Amino acid sequence: QQQVKQSPQSLIVQKGGISIINCAYENTAFDYFPWYQQFPGKGPALLIAIRPDVSEKKEGRFTISFNKSAKQFSLHIMDSQPGDSATYFCAASIGWNSGAGSYQLTFGKGTKLSVIP
Amino acid sequence: KAGVTQTPRYLIKTRGQQVTLSCSPISGHRSVSWYQQTPGQGLQFLFEYFSETQRNKGNFPGRFSGRQFSNSRSEMNVSTLELGDSALYLCASSLRGSQETQYFGPGTRLLVL
Repeated sequence: QQQVKQSPQSLIVQKGGISIINCAYENTAFDYFPWYQQFPGKGPALLIAIRPDVSEKKEGRFTISFNKSAKQFSLHIMDSQPGDSATYFCAASIGWNSGAGSYQLTFGKGTKLSVIP
Repeated sequence: KAGVTQTPRYLIKTRGQQVTLSCSPISGHRSVSWYQQTPGQGLQFLFEYFSETQRNKGNFPGRFSGRQFSNSRSEMNVSTLELGDSALYLCASSLRGSQETQYFGPGTRLLVL
């Protein structure tokens, strides 16, 4: 059972445009939602993360929007650049402080982003 | 600070063999997690170690095992390899666990023939 559903699988955006990637989760115990960026031949790298007590977090051109009631969160990349072309993964985990911590990240299946000049 | 290192980077094995992969975490990190990445299934959690103890294990058969040493270095072992074990195996380290920044290594690409 896939617990984090990510869409779209692939995305082509013009340089300067906005890239939007969406994720939906099922387990309401998730309380940490990171996004990872992966370039070919490299391991994933943390881009930005959010906890459910805030609805939005922005770091530079990257913004996470979080909708707790809908159990959805999304990544927005503003002013997309060719260097942003990579595969993006959303993920979720349960905190150990909750007493049910799982110490594992559950990943979406990834979105391959291509930013064309 | 040196990043997470994984050895070997590439490996070719045949069905039925066993393989051991190694991961050296960032200095000072005590949590090491292993993930399997395939085109079809994406990134799937294998197990996580903290201070030499396995804290959590994903939904993989018993052929997949791991351990962590006192210096936090970790190894994973896959016995009786199957064609479906062909994947990129990623190791990630963090100070304490999944809700902190996890730093991934470049992975070991395993091909089973």
